[in-house]
Amino acid sequence: QKEVEQNSGPLSVPEGAIASLNCTYSDRGSQSFFWYRQYSGKSPELIMFIYSNGDKEDGRFTAQLNKASQYVSLLIRDSQPSDSATYLCAVNNSSASKIIFGSGTRLSIRP
Amino acid sequence: DVKVTQSSRYLVKRTGEKVFLECVQDMDHENMFWYRQDPGLGLRLIYFSYDVKMKEKGDIPEGYSVSREKKERFSLILESASTNQTSMYLCASSLAATEYGYTFGSGTRLTVV
Repeated sequence: QKEVEQNSGPLSVPEGAIASLNCTYSDRGSQSFFWYRQYSGKSPELIMFIYSNGDKEDGRFTAQLNKASQYVSLLIRDSQPSDSATYLCAVNNSSASKIIFGSGTRLSIRP
Repeated sequence: DVKVTQSSRYLVKRTGEKVFLECVQDMDHENMFWYRQDPGLGLRLIYFSYDVKMKEKGDIPEGYSVSREKKERFSLILESASTNQTSMYLCASSLAATEYGYTFGSGTRLTVV
């Protein structure tokens, strides 16, 4: 089992709809959870982080965390073509000071 | 904003050459990391460092070494470049990785011919 798992996609969502990206992780001791956005040919950019169970909203983005079920999700409301990118889920490794990355979900917003 | 600067955006080297990739951060971060990213394989950790002159192997250290003589600078060295080291190389730094996440540099796309 991979430490951080994501569906590779592509996930195709119509413009203006809600895009829902999911991630599961295996380390029950993980405390910090991150979402990165990566445009083609560019480096990853941190867009959200969440530490507590529940929802965290920032503009059109909402991160959701459920530690009991070991999943994290990212919702993007009112999806725009500029949201088309690969989204990487990342989780801290509780036994070492580093972050484990998922392989990413490719999101495509169709006009 | 934290800035992580990688010295080259694109690099072409010959097989067998010794290659140096430089990374500099300007926010006094303790932690620095080198990854490579390949299609279908995601981000793979090569080496990381929590302090000056300190280094730890990541998941794929073979064929690479690192140097951290100053806090702000973390260099990745390909001892004898091979074609299978053609990749995008990403440097990252963090104040406290598990709390604040990483800030990445813009990446170096290395081609070994």
